[in-house]
Amino acid sequence: DVKVTQSSRYLVKRTGEKVFLECVQDMDHENMFWYRQDPGLGLRLIYFSYDVKMKEKGDIPEGYSVSREKKERFSLILESASTNQTSMYLCASSPTGRTYYGYTFGSGTRLTVV
Amino acid sequence: GQNIDQPTEMTATEGAIVQINCTYQTSGFNGLFWYQQHAGEAPTFLSYNVLDGLEEKGRFSSFLSRSKGYSYLLLKELQMKDSASYLCAVRDSNYQLIWGAGTKLIIKP
Repeated sequence: DVKVTQSSRYLVKRTGEKVFLECVQDMDHENMFWYRQDPGLGLRLIYFSYDVKMKEKGDIPEGYSVSREKKERFSLILESASTNQTSMYLCASSPTGRTYYGYTFGSGTRLTVV
Repeated sequence: GQNIDQPTEMTATEGAIVQINCTYQTSGFNGLFWYQQHAGEAPTFLSYNVLDGLEEKGRFSSFLSRSKGYSYLLLKELQMKDSASYLCAVRDSNYQLIWGAGTKLIIKP
């Protein structure tokens, strides 16, 4: 069964802390994505990556950075957490070349910044 | 700009049929997806349409009209477990998925 695994379901962090959210996929997918999901706003793309060591900004990259040192792992970093980054964070992956294939999502990390 | 519209919330009765509409305006079109998301969980893939017409998969069907920028998801024989949010997403000319805000479906006994 294909899997995207996010390291934590729930996190509580303090304002100003550096926060790492980890995502690992075992499907050998080339593409990986980080979204945040807030009520009424839908999924908003933060960063994505089409290959190892490659990253592209999404719609809302401010305050975030990413790292992709290995194909299976895509990390989201909140450099200095703020309360407006309290949200559900979803990681997803997809293969290149199979256009009928959507995204496979991880179970999400609900981050609260206090 | 790119935009996907779907109703915020719908209510239906167990055993009935419900249709969730999605209209879109995007830069190009390379397929439309429907996802189901139960509260507190990740979205899961339901259907994919790239050509006009109806795709049927068990109790769920999805319809696409590219000329009208319109799709719907049809759920038949509703069950309580169908209570969830349903997300419409369109793949644009850059092969990025553009997401609607989702429709929360409430099923009543």
